[in-house]
Amino acid sequence: NAGVTQTPKFRVLKTGQSMTLLCAQDMNHEYMYWYRQDPGMGLRLIHYSVGEGTTAKGEVPDGYNVSRLKKQNFLLGLESAAPSQTSVYFCASSLGSGAYNEQFFGPGTRLTVL
Amino acid sequence: RKEVEQDPGPFNVPEGATVAFNCTYSNSASQSFFWYRQDCRKEPKLLMSVYSSGNEDGRFTAQLNRASQYISLLIRDSKLSDSATYLCVLGTSYGKLTFGQGTILTVHP
Repeated sequence: NAGVTQTPKFRVLKTGQSMTLLCAQDMNHEYMYWYRQDPGMGLRLIHYSVGEGTTAKGEVPDGYNVSRLKKQNFLLGLESAAPSQTSVYFCASSLGSGAYNEQFFGPGTRLTVL
Repeated sequence: RKEVEQDPGPFNVPEGATVAFNCTYSNSASQSFFWYRQDCRKEPKLLMSVYSSGNEDGRFTAQLNRASQYISLLIRDSKLSDSATYLCVLGTSYGKLTFGQGTILTVHP
């Protein structure tokens, strides 16, 4: 039982390049989330999904797209990377959306955009 | 005004000390409240949920005051292993979480 995994762990991009971050969970969770964490700031929600085939915008969705084609996977795409997207990206999942459902986080992807 | 405000610290305390962290929030529609712990360069992990009646887990005690929109975390008998960043977190619809910037705690011998 690996929990939540993320690939890659590190990546360096040049401005304008594209990439996809993969999040996978083996806990049969319905809900999945993508956050970014910047120095001196709390984690901010980019996009989330309430089930296979669904996605919704979070607090900071601009410049990102997501897809949830399979229940266990949630992909985050950057179509044209910008230096402002340099950040640590965390994926999380939870069984449901009940008030006290715990979110489990992946180990993060450190992305640098030059 | 930020939705969740925390004193960023850092708090530097000796082993065995008692330390308290405070957090205020502005969204009165918040449904649930948590403290997460984040070690350096690691992912956040749930430390404890915070209930209106207050709750305790070993050396950790959390309190919630909905009227004042205030959450606290008390750590007694601090250990070196308690050194981490403590994140005040609010839950809203669809399980979405809103994070404070975190409070850094360093426990020294």
